[in-house]
Amino acid sequence: GDSVTQMEGPVTLSEEAFLTINCTYTATGYPSLFWYVQYPGEGLQLLLKATKADDKGSNKGFEATYRKETTSFHLEKGSVQVSDSAVYFCALEGRNQGGKLIFGQGTELSVKP
Amino acid sequence: DAGVIQSPRHEVTEMGQEVTLRCKPISGHNSLFWYRQTMMRGLELLIYFNNNVPIDDSGMPEDRFSAKMPNASFSTLKIQPSEPRDSAVYFCASSQTFYEQYFGPGTRLTVT
Repeated sequence: GDSVTQMEGPVTLSEEAFLTINCTYTATGYPSLFWYVQYPGEGLQLLLKATKADDKGSNKGFEATYRKETTSFHLEKGSVQVSDSAVYFCALEGRNQGGKLIFGQGTELSVKP
Repeated sequence: DAGVIQSPRHEVTEMGQEVTLRCKPISGHNSLFWYRQTMMRGLELLIYFNNNVPIDDSGMPEDRFSAKMPNASFSTLKIQPSEPRDSAVYFCASSQTFYEQYFGPGTRLTVT
């Protein structure tokens, strides 16, 4: 079945460092791909998405490119801030799945001043 | 819009008791999802509804769990009887089909 694999956390970075969180997926067909973010004590919020190969999703300085050839959707940010500390989830929605999302296990990011 | 509303925000109960979690989706959304989040298992989809009809309940762990959506503005997730291993954060999310899911703040359940 469909699945998502993320790099394990926690990831600890200093402010202004470059961030990469790896995400790879297994799916039949061409799923839509998402990154969600969960701040402490809150529910998940959509950060960005891409619906077809080579699409780049971007929001709040974060970017991810849908790479069909490597089945990847890595999250990047050029300069992280303390306020980016959160748990990041990669997810996919298979075609004809009625909106059902498959989530990765989440990667905790901690940014130190 | 008020967003997805969940109640209660925290629930502490004793093993064997019945627990009912409630969710009010965003008005106009026709899909509703119940998730469970634990450290060990991460985020799991329990069940989802489309137009108030359960579409996929394969994630419901066992018969002690049940979910209903009697109308477009209300859903419940019930655990009877509850067990300590049910302790988790339960999230409700809603969406217009094929669009972004909006998550509620979650209910933190502790079963002692």
